[in-house]
Amino acid sequence: KQEVTQIPAALSVPEGENLVLNCSFTDSAIYNLQWFRQDPGKGLTSLLLIQSSQREQTSGRLNASLDKSSGRSTLYIAASQPGDSATYLCAAYNYGQNFVFGPGTRLSVLP
Amino acid sequence: NAGVTQTPKFRILKIGQSMTLQCTQDMNHNYMYWYRQDPGMGLKLIYYSVGAGITDKGEVPNGYNVSRSTTEDFPLRLELAAPSQTSVYFCASSTTAGTEAYYGYTFGSGTRLTVV
Repeated sequence: KQEVTQIPAALSVPEGENLVLNCSFTDSAIYNLQWFRQDPGKGLTSLLLIQSSQREQTSGRLNASLDKSSGRSTLYIAASQPGDSATYLCAAYNYGQNFVFGPGTRLSVLP
Repeated sequence: NAGVTQTPKFRILKIGQSMTLQCTQDMNHNYMYWYRQDPGMGLKLIYYSVGAGITDKGEVPNGYNVSRSTTEDFPLRLELAAPSQTSVYFCASSTTAGTEAYYGYTFGSGTRLTVV
């Protein structure tokens, strides 16, 4: 059974810093992995989807990497801004199953 | 705007009452899902559907029922509400993984339910 963990649970950084959020999964036979952002009291917004054949995906200041062999994905946020403050969740998909979500990392970017 | 629409956004129920959470998507996605999110616990899958007329249980189905009579709609029914069902409920949809139009999950904005 796939299990997904995210470390750290919470992170606070000053504005302008580059930061890395970590996502680990136990079953390396994933089909893809998706990163989401969730603002307080809101739904989940998709940030990036990485297929198993890809090593990374980029969107603006966000870069997500995938290393299936080590069971890890990282979300890199460059030049962080207060507007980046939110909870970031990753979800791993194994073909024929459903996405399994991590508990999220709560990010605070301080002005 | 295209996407997943959930209603209501907020609801307070008394113990033993019933209600239906509505979910509609206009992207012609064949897959639809219901999740609940409890503080610090991540998202747990309640039920999912791979197409009209087909539903299946997820990780935490007890106390809930679903139906999928059309591609667009996937309502979640709570019978005999209990305090343990206090949570935020999210509906999501997707196309079939591996197809050209696959972009992962699209989520609705959620329904915050309190059972008192």
